[in-house]
Amino acid sequence: AQRVTQPEKLLSVFKGAPVELKCNYSYSGSPELFWYVQYSRQRLQLLLRHISRESIKGFTADLNKGETSFHLKKPFAQEEDSAMYYCALSRSYNTDKLIFGTGTRLQVFP
Amino acid sequence: GAVVSQHPSWVICKSGTSVKIECRSLDFQATTMFWYRQFPKQSLMLMATSNEGSKATYEQGVEKDKFLINHASLTLSTLTVTSAHPEDSSFYICSARWGAQANEQFFGPGTRLTVL
Repeated sequence: AQRVTQPEKLLSVFKGAPVELKCNYSYSGSPELFWYVQYSRQRLQLLLRHISRESIKGFTADLNKGETSFHLKKPFAQEEDSAMYYCALSRSYNTDKLIFGTGTRLQVFP
Repeated sequence: GAVVSQHPSWVICKSGTSVKIECRSLDFQATTMFWYRQFPKQSLMLMATSNEGSKATYEQGVEKDKFLINHASLTLSTLTVTSAHPEDSSFYICSARWGAQANEQFFGPGTRLTVL
């Protein structure tokens, strides 16, 4: 069965510090991976997806098939990055449901 | 663009009553809508996938007769919690996808259901 694991429930850093939110997945095929973010009192929204290979708000994530990981990174955290981050997996492009991890709350202190 | 709304945003009902939650795509046609349930401090669990004009596909362990889903148009899907009980209290979130070639889901703000 497919599974997404986010080992950290809470990650606290100071402003300007590097951030890495971990995500590991289990799936025997070629998945599509996403990071979703939920700011306080706002709805869930897409942050980035691995096929785009883009940087959004300074965040990047690289799919490592050997380690089955899709960690989210940012070199210098900002206070406005404080939010709930969810890693999600789709088994195939454009047709399948999303399987979410349990989420990691990022707190960035001033 | 790509806004999804839910109504109501919160609802309190008595045990044994039924509650309907609406999910609308405001500025696009949603060929597929998803319904999720989120318990406090837990992840989103997919309940069912609904395609316009066809029966919803429920995830394992989700009672079809308990959670009735209707996707009558390309902009509206409804979730009806029938004979609600306190254990049905949760945060229900819908999302919509606009086309077969799009894999991005746009999420609604969620509906908080409390069953007394």
